Amino acid sequence: EVQLVESGGGLVQPGGSLKLSCAASGFTFSGSAMHWVRQASGKGLEWVGRIRSKANSYATAYAASVKGRFTISRDDSKNTAYLQMNSLKTEDTAVYYCTRFPPDYWGQGTLVTVSS
Amino acid sequence: DIQMTQSPSSLSASVGDRVTITCRASQGIRNDLGWYQQKPGKAPKRLIYAASSLQSGVPSRFSGSGSGTEFTLTISSLQPEDFATYYCLQHNSYPLWTFGQGTKVEIK
Repeated sequence: EVQLVESGGGLVQPGGSLKLSCAASGFTFSGSAMHWVRQASGKGLEWVGRIRSKANSYATAYAASVKGRFTISRDDSKNTAYLQMNSLKTEDTAVYYCTRFPPDYWGQGTLVTVSS
Repeated sequence: DIQMTQSPSSLSASVGDRVTITCRASQGIRNDLGWYQQKPGKAPKRLIYAASSLQSGVPSRFSGSGSGTEFTLTISSLQPEDFATYYCLQHNSYPLWTFGQGTKVEIK
């Protein structure tokens, strides 16, 4: 059974940093691209970025709203993807989900709150 | 970037009604589109992939159609558990994904 479990969310001040994790099981993680999607309270879904597999050179891509501040990485030995978030803004407050490609299974999400 | 325009943004319907939701892409995306259902406090759940293929375990009252720029999600007979928010997602515009704005289906 495919499972994705996000962790690492919490309260952080504007300008601060936070690193989210996405632990995967039930599929060949090393061969899969992994994506992050976020959702502010009461709002729609927003794609954040993705990292491809080793075979595709671990290529990353980001939404314009986070480019230069967020970094996606992965550790295939731990079946885990990461989202490093720096220079956080209040508008980054959201539930962050990880999913794979194809986007069939999603984690339960982890809440990030950016507030002073 | 490809934009997805989803309509309506909300609708009120009764149990047993036929419901149709539409997504329009700003340029052709072949059939690289999925439909998702999201309930409050829960992660999105995929209903339809490749525009018209039913996800395993999803009731057959859900169906998808379209290709290119116009896509439709249909619920043939709305059930109480179907009251939720629905999103389309295109993954054709490599490497970016784009979601529709969402459609909230409420009880009339």
